[in-house]
Amino acid sequence: SAVISQKPSRDICQRGTSLTIQCQVDSQVTMMFWYRQQPGQSLTLIATANQGSEATYESGFVIDKFPISRPNLTFSTLTVSNMSPEDSSIYLCSVESGVGTDTPEAFFGQGTRLTVV
Amino acid sequence: GEDVEQSLFLSVREGDSSVINCTYTDSSSTYLYWYKQEPGAGLQLLTYIFSNMDMKQDQRLTVLLNKKDKHLSLRIADTQTGDSAIYFCAESMTSGTYKYIFGTGTRLKVLA
Repeated sequence: SAVISQKPSRDICQRGTSLTIQCQVDSQVTMMFWYRQQPGQSLTLIATANQGSEATYESGFVIDKFPISRPNLTFSTLTVSNMSPEDSSIYLCSVESGVGTDTPEAFFGQGTRLTVV
Repeated sequence: GEDVEQSLFLSVREGDSSVINCTYTDSSSTYLYWYKQEPGAGLQLLTYIFSNMDMKQDQRLTVLLNKKDKHLSLRIADTQTGDSAIYFCAESMTSGTYKYIFGTGTRLKVLA
């Protein structure tokens, strides 16, 4: 299993500003994932962060808007840049455990609830 | 395309059984999962089923998989008020990156 801590748990930000969300894992993991959960909707994968290389972004998400850092195997940050009210969402960090075993499982942080005003 | 659908709401009385349904489109899914999200919390894995299984039972939880119809269900026996949450089904792809596709989520409300 993996224990994931995300900071901040919530924030209210002014439009045009940027917010950096931190994700700390209690064990070394190869891949870390960032998801967005818009109000009343499901989770959408933003990007996959690998240590030592650039993050891989999903369709509709770009590095300029959501820069990601992955300085080591236990930590990652996601920045939401130049925010607008449409960026109001819950952002979730996730890691996968058990890759190569019978049961890979995704573990999630508690999420960061972002409100842009 | 990749699409996982669920009904949005379900309301049951305490002690009754709840059945949450999910349909998916990608027949190459390897694992199918049920996650629970309580207010203000992240997602918690409840149970999973491997794609070559039809059924899995885990205490109060029963997962049924109909691979032909691409239909997954979660039955919660003796539903309690603490089961009130949003339930997400998810499929993991076999593309080598273990990418997860989540359903739209079903909000379960348990009435006392």
